[in-house]
Amino acid sequence: GNSVTQMEGPVTLSEEAFLTINCTYTATGYPSLFWYVQYPGEGLQLLLKATKADDKGSNKGFEATYRKETTSFHLEKGSVQVSDSAVYFCALSDPSGTYKYIFGTGTRLKVLA
Amino acid sequence: DAGITQSPRHKVTETGTPVTLRCHQTENHRYMYWYRQDPGHGLRLIHYSYGVKDTDKGEVSDGYSVSRSKTEDFLLTLESATSSQTSVYFCAISEFSDSHEQFFGPGTRLTVL
Repeated sequence: GNSVTQMEGPVTLSEEAFLTINCTYTATGYPSLFWYVQYPGEGLQLLLKATKADDKGSNKGFEATYRKETTSFHLEKGSVQVSDSAVYFCALSDPSGTYKYIFGTGTRLKVLA
Repeated sequence: DAGITQSPRHKVTETGTPVTLRCHQTENHRYMYWYRQDPGHGLRLIHYSYGVKDTDKGEVSDGYSVSRSKTEDFLLTLESATSSQTSVYFCAISEFSDSHEQFFGPGTRLTVL
């Protein structure tokens, strides 16, 4: 079946450090891939997405590339800020057409000033 | 932001009582979803709807039922709440698109004592 594996947190970084959060997936077919962010006490917001192999999603300095050969969609940011502290979720959409998502378990990021 | 509201936002109830959570959207999206969020599990799909009166089970549907009598409303019912259903519940919506993007509501925190 479809699944998403995300690196365990929490991840603690100093401001301006480089961020990588790993995400790998298994799926039959060709899912779309997503990163969502959840700030404390809020719902999930779409951070970026990619719909096919080699697509790069980007937003607010975050980037992720859809790598079919390694079944990965790692999230990166060159210089994190305190305001990036949140929980990040990797997700795929069911390629069978039901639009259902499979989520990773989430990675908590804490950025220290 | 997508027009999605959830009610109530917080609820405390006792074991064995029925509980209904409401999701309301103003986007006229076809698909609606209920998830629960628990530490270490990310978000897990409870039920989803692909149209009025058309619903199907997700991966953690036991103990939950849903109804969708209008495009804009998707109700989640716990017929007899148990302590294991203490969680944060999120509603999401989506529409036909290449990316299958989902938009999330603000969540309902439910505590079953």
